[in-house]
This record gives sequence, C-alpha cells and structure tokens, in this order.
Amino acid sequence: DGGITQSPKYLFRKEGQNVTLSCEQNLNHDAMYWYRQDPGQGLRLIYYSQIVNDFQKGDIAEGYSVSREKKESFPLTVTSAQKNPTAFYLCASSIRQRDIQPQHFGDGTRLSIL
Amino acid sequence: AQSVAQPEDQVNVAEGNPLTVKCTYSVSGNPYLFWYVQYPNRGLQFLLKYITGDNLVKGSYGFEAEFNKSQTSFHLKKPSALVSDSALYFCAVRDSNAGGTSYGKLTFGQGTILTVHP
Repeated sequence: DGGITQSPKYLFRKEGQNVTLSCEQNLNHDAMYWYRQDPGQGLRLIYYSQIVNDFQKGDIAEGYSVSREKKESFPLTVTSAQKNPTAFYLCASSIRQRDIQPQHFGDGTRLSIL
Repeated sequence: AQSVAQPEDQVNVAEGNPLTVKCTYSVSGNPYLFWYVQYPNRGLQFLLKYITGDNLVKGSYGFEAEFNKSQTSFHLKKPSALVSDSALYFCAVRDSNAGGTSYGKLTFGQGTILTVHP
C-alpha cells in the first residue's frame, strides 16, 4: 500500500543534541511538508519542498533544518537551537504544490526532552 | 494573510443526533477549503474539500460541509453521529491568490474535539 512512513514513533532528545526525524513516501508525490502540532494550536508549517533539491521555510523554521536529496525522502533535523522542541511532528505530501489536492499525512513522531 | 478559526474547542453530541463542527476563514482571493480528522497519536485523514461549484460538499464516512461565501464559513456536518466519529477535527484553507513563497500553503485551524456519547 502507498503511504507515508515516519520514524521513529517516539524520540527523546537530550539538551544540546540534534535529532533527525525520518519521513519516507512511496506515493510518487513531488511536494512534501513538515508540520509541528502543539495542543490547542493546530498545525504549524516548519518547512516544505516542492521538488528534489529545493525547500522553503515555513512559519516556524527557526531551530530546524531539512534536506531533499531524493523524491521519496524529506528528513527533518531538530537542532539544539530549538529551545522548545517537545511536540508532535507530522510529515505530509501532495502530488504537486500547485495542484489543489489534499495532503496525505504520516502517523507522526512524538519528540520529548529528557 | 489567510486564517482559519474554529470557534469551539469541544463539541459534544449524543449518538444518532446531527452534528456540526464550525469553521470560518479569511482569505484575499477565493478559498480552497478542507476538512481533516485526526485520531489519537495518528496523522490527519482527509475528509472533504471545496474548490468551486456546489456549496454542499459530500465526503468520507457520511460527512458533508456547507460553503457559505457571505458568512465566510465552511461548517462540517453529519446527519447522524456515531461514537466512532469521536476525534479531533481540523479545518484548513488555501488562498487562490497566494503567491511567492506562500503559494499553495495550507493554514489550519486550532482543531475541535468532537465527542459522541452513546
């Protein structure tokens, strides 16, 4: 079955540590997105990528970095500069950003601070 | 700038009764509107979308939504609620006029927790 796989499901970060969240899709989608979900705040866009080797900052990119070396993969690194990283992180994809098609979501990674 | 408001943090309804989850939006151009549902510790699942045309949109699991341009609303409805409908619901909007780095960007509401009681 086609879909989006996020790993790990749970992740713990120590102070001063960078951690990387994995997102892989086999839907052949061009566009991919990272969102952060906090209780009562909905989803906020961190980064998005319309095509391989290209990505753009979203609304809350500070303290995060991404890469898009392959169409299927869009990993997110939470750096030590992100002072409040505890949240539920969701990866999504869509056929192309310019098309008005719904985004498909993975099942998320829950990041906590040790 | 585009924005979405879901005025109710929680909605409670008895099984078998009709349900409504409210959403209002603000965009500069024409809106593209979406509803998603989220179950605990899961990603979002797409329910339905409004792009253009008929103001009443039908989606998955018996849900429908009514687009009202004059009230800038896109309320989610279901004629008869099920206990299994209990979940977190998100409304999202995309502005047809958005350009530059905002092109195609979805803005989500803060979510409404729907609880259906047996």
